[in-house]
Amino acid sequence: KAGVTQTPRYLIKTRGQQVTLSCSPISGHRSVSWYQQTPGQGLQFLFEYFSETQRNKGNFPGRFSGRQFSNSRSEMNVSTLELGDSALYLCASSLGGVGNTEAFFGQGTRLTVV
Amino acid sequence: AQSVTQLGSHVSVSEGALVLLRCNYSSSVPPYLFWYVQYPNQGLQLLLKYTSAATLVKGINGFEAEFKKSETSFHLTKPSAHMSDAAEYFCAVTAKNNDMRFGAGTRLTVKP
Repeated sequence: KAGVTQTPRYLIKTRGQQVTLSCSPISGHRSVSWYQQTPGQGLQFLFEYFSETQRNKGNFPGRFSGRQFSNSRSEMNVSTLELGDSALYLCASSLGGVGNTEAFFGQGTRLTVV
Repeated sequence: AQSVTQLGSHVSVSEGALVLLRCNYSSSVPPYLFWYVQYPNQGLQLLLKYTSAATLVKGINGFEAEFKKSETSFHLTKPSAHMSDAAEYFCAVTAKNNDMRFGAGTRLTVKP
């Protein structure tokens, strides 16, 4: 079966702009989690959606938001981009939640803010 | 809140040698523990997970990890390193709320 698909793979944006990243989970998976990966901070949890509801949220400012659609596809939005938002953004899908079922990760979207 | 600490940001071994990557966790409730591997420009791939069924967990590619509650550890081992094992390895912990926390990662180098 198809894996987790993240689009686009690479993105370059200017400071102050906004960006939307997309994640299509594995068919049948209802949970999608987002992570930010940077060399300095490592992997940080952004939020998790399950059946269109945000179930968990990490410690990120309100500029970071997300949503999940009825087909479980998820989008992440970052407004008013800052240089520090440059990172690899990973999404993970699982059947019931990241904790006690296997999470499958996409290849990520590499965002560069200039 | 739960957290993990990976000891050693870089580990270098010779091909055929034992691989030992260290992970200690902190959790106020019984944890679920994971090891993931990441190759350059790729997402994370699950190596193995501990969900309280057995303390010694076997994963893919010959890796295994042992959950030691008394030491709050979940170290990853492989008896004989292969060149293809060179990658970054992440330990992660979560509890019932499904908020997964990752360690800082350990970059494994395998020398020929």
